[in-house]
Amino acid sequence: EAGVAQSPRYKIIEKRQSVAFWCNPISGHATLYWYQQILGQGPKLLIQFQNNGVVDDSQLPKDRFSAERLKGVDSTLKIQPAKLEDSAVYLCASSLRRGGETQYFGPGTRLLVL
Amino acid sequence: SQQGEEDPQALSIQEGENATMNCSYKTSINNLQWYRQNSGRGLVHLILIRSNEREKHSGRLRVTLDTSKKSSSLLITASRAADTASYFCATDPGSARQLTFGSGTQLTVLP
Repeated sequence: EAGVAQSPRYKIIEKRQSVAFWCNPISGHATLYWYQQILGQGPKLLIQFQNNGVVDDSQLPKDRFSAERLKGVDSTLKIQPAKLEDSAVYLCASSLRRGGETQYFGPGTRLLVL
Repeated sequence: SQQGEEDPQALSIQEGENATMNCSYKTSINNLQWYRQNSGRGLVHLILIRSNEREKHSGRLRVTLDTSKKSSSLLITASRAADTASYFCATDPGSARQLTFGSGTQLTVLP
């Protein structure tokens, strides 16, 4: 079974630029999550999708972050414009269902904003 | 906010020794999960313990859960250098709400 795929693995941009991350979850997993992990901290949920609908985006900074999951499969997370404090690892995860299911994580995208 | 808080923040042991990490949380849970994260990688699920369970084993891992104290512990026996990683607890509050991760314990196993 293929795991969660993410790209790119690394990205360096200057502040005020835009950036996009891509995630392809495990086949058949209805729920997809985007997390932000700042160095030395645990992952913080940004947004959760159930199929192609948003379940929870309460911690997503909507003035600069957006995400979509068209057709309920792969997903894109965008930051526009980026700030220095957005430097972090962006993790995508998926699970079969909502709730406290085991989550399967991708390798993450490491973003550095200069 | 992060419900689970791991203790200690960092732990360094010799290969072959046992490593114990603790997780405390604040509100009631449906289950509690432990994940491992190697440097530069994503998280990997290790074990899930439900609120009506007190102890669970998986290979060299032993997890305990005390819901009265709102705490859990992860024991890794006979540690290996490959166990060097960050370990996170994640709490499931139930009602189809999302997991909340703690801040992690950085474990270093010295050869």
